[in-house]
Amino acid sequence: KAGVTQTPRYLIKTRGQQVTLSCSPISGHRSVSWYQQTPGQGLQFLFEYFSETQRNKGNFPGRFSGRQFSNSRSEMNVSTLELGDSALYLCASSLEGGAGTDTQYFGPGTRLTVL
Amino acid sequence: AQSVTQLGSHVSVSEGALVLLRCNYSSSVPPYLFWYVQYPNQGLQLLLKYTSAATLVKGINGFEAEFKKSETSFHLTKPSAHMSDAAEYFCAVTWYSSASKIIFGSGTRLSIRP
Repeated sequence: KAGVTQTPRYLIKTRGQQVTLSCSPISGHRSVSWYQQTPGQGLQFLFEYFSETQRNKGNFPGRFSGRQFSNSRSEMNVSTLELGDSALYLCASSLEGGAGTDTQYFGPGTRLTVL
Repeated sequence: AQSVTQLGSHVSVSEGALVLLRCNYSSSVPPYLFWYVQYPNQGLQLLLKYTSAATLVKGINGFEAEFKKSETSFHLTKPSAHMSDAAEYFCAVTWYSSASKIIFGSGTRLSIRP
């Protein structure tokens, strides 16, 4: 079974631009979560989608948004990029998203650099 | 605020030696606890998780962790380190039913000396 895939793997943008990252979960998984990883702030939860609906949301500004399609693939969008948005963005998928019952499988991440 | 603390941002051990990575969480309410490993340029991989079934949890690659409520700790151990264990390790905790709303520790980089 194929793992979680994320595209692109690397991205360079300039301040003020917007960016869209894509995540394809493991087949059959309906929960997709996004995380931001930076040296200063560590790993932080962005949001979770389940059955095309945002189910949980972390503490990030509205410039960060996402969506999920009927095939469970998910995209996240960052508008008006800032230097501080440079990070590794990780996507994780699981069957239903339950902490006690499910396992989250992480993709390799998209490395975003904002210049 | 709920939090998780990993003591030591960098731990170095000799090959064959005991590995001990420390993790403490902030609440007395039993949470779900996790240890993840991240190899360079890769995503996170779940090593093990505690879900209140047993206090000693065995994971992959010979790792195990013990939940100690009285100490609010969930330290990760491995009896004998291998070179392939060199990676970054993250302790994570959630008090919610959703696996996504987890709080990660700051990570511990494990180095293995030959």
